[in-house]
Amino acid sequence: GQNIDQPTEMTATEGAIVQINCTYQTSGFNGLFWYQQHAGEAPTFLSYNVLDGLEEKGRFSSFLSRSKGYSYLLLKELQMKDSASYLCAPDNYGQNFVFGPGTRLSVLP
Amino acid sequence: DTGVSQNPRHKITKRGQNVTFRCDPISEHNRLYWYRQTLGQGPEFLTYFQNEAQLEKSRLLSDRFSAERPKGSFSTLEIQRTEQGDSAMYLCASSPTVQETQYFGPGTRLLVL
Repeated sequence: GQNIDQPTEMTATEGAIVQINCTYQTSGFNGLFWYQQHAGEAPTFLSYNVLDGLEEKGRFSSFLSRSKGYSYLLLKELQMKDSASYLCAPDNYGQNFVFGPGTRLSVLP
Repeated sequence: DTGVSQNPRHKITKRGQNVTFRCDPISEHNRLYWYRQTLGQGPEFLTYFQNEAQLEKSRLLSDRFSAERPKGSFSTLEIQRTEQGDSAMYLCASSPTVQETQYFGPGTRLLVL
């Protein structure tokens, strides 16, 4: 089975940096996805980490530690449009079926 | 380039009625997934197809739920004898192969009265 844990809610200020953590326990693991989901919309792909370490993609970076079952999503220079839910999803060798509960981020002016 | 489409976008039905949703994946995507999502929760896996074969079905899925992908292209999800607890957003996603990211459709929001 799989167990995924994320904070339920986070609040940050426009222009700040925020780190959203995800811990997971899975029976098989190949990598980890992060998705963004705005209220009332479908999830959209942000990143996919296979190797340990930090991968940077513009204002968003994602980190993975396979040995610790831990990942985080780092958002820099926060903008109001970053207010959304952020979902982590371990990839069980292509069977990316289980999503975390999501972290609802509110960016305040 | 058309993304994943779902129809209808919204459905209101009375308890006990049957409903059917359709998903058209991105063309040439072999994998198609169905999820259910309730407010404040992540998507919950229901079932997935590799081409026309239904390879896995969640244990959470009661026998009132059935899905098909007859020609390996579009898929339908049917819920029989709907219950108020079925009210949720039903999301469809597709991916080209194993270990590829999933592209989600806009979802069908179901309300059972």
